[in-house]
Amino acid sequence: DAGVIQSPRHEVTEMGQEVTLRCKPISGHDYLFWYRQTMMRGLELLIYFNNNVPIDDSGMPEDRFSAKMPNASFSTLKIQPSEPRDSAVYFCASSLLGGETQYFGPGTRLLVL
Amino acid sequence: DQQVKQNSPSLSVQEGRISILNCDYTNSMFDYFLWYKKYPAEGPTFLISISSIKDKNEDGRFTVFLNKSAKHLSLHIVPSQPGDSAVYFCAASQRGGSNYKLTFGKGTLLTVNP
Repeated sequence: DAGVIQSPRHEVTEMGQEVTLRCKPISGHDYLFWYRQTMMRGLELLIYFNNNVPIDDSGMPEDRFSAKMPNASFSTLKIQPSEPRDSAVYFCASSLLGGETQYFGPGTRLLVL
Repeated sequence: DQQVKQNSPSLSVQEGRISILNCDYTNSMFDYFLWYKKYPAEGPTFLISISSIKDKNEDGRFTVFLNKSAKHLSLHIVPSQPGDSAVYFCAASQRGGSNYKLTFGKGTLLTVNP
């Protein structure tokens, strides 16, 4: 199995631009999680889905952030408009039956100038 | 408000010795605890876990201890190897409420010197 796949691995953009991060979970996994890692706040959960349905989005920082999961093999996290404080590493993770063993992707390192 | 705290940002040990990483939590509703390991430019990978009904779980060189009364857990690595050098994250969840959210600490950078 290829594991969780994220793209792009690195993204540099200018303030005000739209950013779209992509994730392909492990085949057969029914839970998908989006995390953000920063020096100040560590690793924090943004949103998670079960069977493509958003369950808890209480960690999404503001309306500029949105996430979708149109099917079981694809999810996006969009930031519009982006701001310098959004610079972070964004991780996607998936798990089976909500098990605590979440499998993480390699992350997308985002830099907003 | 940090519910999971790893107070040591870094730890350095000699190869072959024991590494002890500590974690404290404040939410008494947490009933399942995990340790993840992270290498640079990679995502965290699951290492070991423990349920609140136990006080110890062992897997090879890795042992996790849980002290519920103190709201404290620790990860012991014996013997430590240079390949163990990584950032270690402590995480907690409330299994009982079918809540699959993990709350992470900020991590401890372990360096094992040859």
